[in-house]
Amino acid sequence: GQQLNQSPQSMFIQEGEDVSMNCTSSSIFNTWLWYKQEPGEGPVLLIALYKAGELTSNGRLTAQFGITRKDSFLNISASIPSDVGIYFCAGQLRAFGNEKLTFGTGTRLTIIP
Amino acid sequence: DAGVIQSPRHEVTEMGQEVTLRCKPISGHDYLFWYRQTMMRGLELLIYFNNNVPIDDSGMPEDRFSAKMPNASFSTLKIQPSEPRDSAVYFCASTSGTRGQYFGPGTRLTVL
Repeated sequence: GQQLNQSPQSMFIQEGEDVSMNCTSSSIFNTWLWYKQEPGEGPVLLIALYKAGELTSNGRLTAQFGITRKDSFLNISASIPSDVGIYFCAGQLRAFGNEKLTFGTGTRLTIIP
Repeated sequence: DAGVIQSPRHEVTEMGQEVTLRCKPISGHDYLFWYRQTMMRGLELLIYFNNNVPIDDSGMPEDRFSAKMPNASFSTLKIQPSEPRDSAVYFCASTSGTRGQYFGPGTRLTVL
């Protein structure tokens, strides 16, 4: 099945640094979601975006719905050790009865002590 | 709320055996999804239900896989017979359709 392209695939950063990652698609979506997955756990929803151009924050996390509706961005400010994990974007073309998500390939975040 | 509950958390079985994975969605959610996650293929949607009715099973890999949802609080994913290539983490997720899907902790399946 289709997967969205996420970049970078992995990041190695020092605590306190800011993080930026993005997700691109060849087709448009009307909903973008960002999830975080830690080892041995299921993905956890971080942010949901429902409108092109929308900018939404959740604590140190900020995500944007690209105006082309084919991309989305996630920023993490002042990273801390508990930010370690894999971040997935997911796109959805919401329509009556369609609740399918298309997931990105993931960005693995590692914090160097 | 307890969140999505899956059992077992780990399953090790031999090729050819039947495997049944179980899921209890969040109360009040009317959509339930089964996903499979592997390093090679990432997160793949296998099937999803709305109000206990299968809506899209196009992701089910083959006839060895089947899923049921007999009521709003329980679903099963069955693999019969299992094969080594079925080894993966299987996730169940649920939603009410308003704010994304909520995932369970997953079942790690190993088929020897």
